[in-house]
Amino acid sequence: DGGITQSPKYLFRKEGQNVTLSCEQNLNHDAMYWYRQDPGQGLRLIYYSQIVNDFQKGDIAEGYSVSREKKESFPLTVTSAQKNPTAFYLCATGGGKVEQFFGPGTRLTVL
Amino acid sequence: AQSVTQLDSHVSVSEGTPVLLRCNYSSSYSPSLFWYVQHPNKGLQLLLKYTSAATLVKGINGFEAEFKKSETSFHLTKPSAHMSDAAEYFCVVRPSGTYKYIFGTGTRLKVLA
Repeated sequence: DGGITQSPKYLFRKEGQNVTLSCEQNLNHDAMYWYRQDPGQGLRLIYYSQIVNDFQKGDIAEGYSVSREKKESFPLTVTSAQKNPTAFYLCATGGGKVEQFFGPGTRLTVL
Repeated sequence: AQSVTQLDSHVSVSEGTPVLLRCNYSSSYSPSLFWYVQHPNKGLQLLLKYTSAATLVKGINGFEAEFKKSETSFHLTKPSAHMSDAAEYFCVVRPSGTYKYIFGTGTRLKVLA
């Protein structure tokens, strides 16, 4: 069954902690993306990667980091430098076709 | 700079009446245009896409959109709303030759019984 999986579905973080959100795809797509979604706003691009071992900052990269060691995986780390991390995080792929395909999302809450 | 404007943040319609969700874009070259739907706490699902072929695009669940270059618009329509259409809808532009996608701020559709 092809698709994009994100885990965990819900994540709670204490102040000062780093947390890592997982995104895995078996669509064989070259490009992968991380977006942040806040209530009443559109999706804002955090990072994207067009190929393995390469990635670019999006519009709101501060306080986040990523890696792309495998084509199938694009984990996002939310660092303690991100002052307001509570949001819904969406991973997407692209490059196979013109449109993007989205995972189910991870909701991160800071306690 | 490329941008997408969804003209209504909220739209309410009665079940069985037409739906119109408006989207205007600006882009330097011939863009690809998309409409996605998002139900609460879910990922985004593609409704339809325009990629420089037919200007009237048919999508899933009875939705369609018309690309009007002269008006730089890509409005989403459906002849008859169903309760299950209640969701948030995003208009998205992908400028030609890029890997980046530009999202509108979304329109929340409410369907009244």
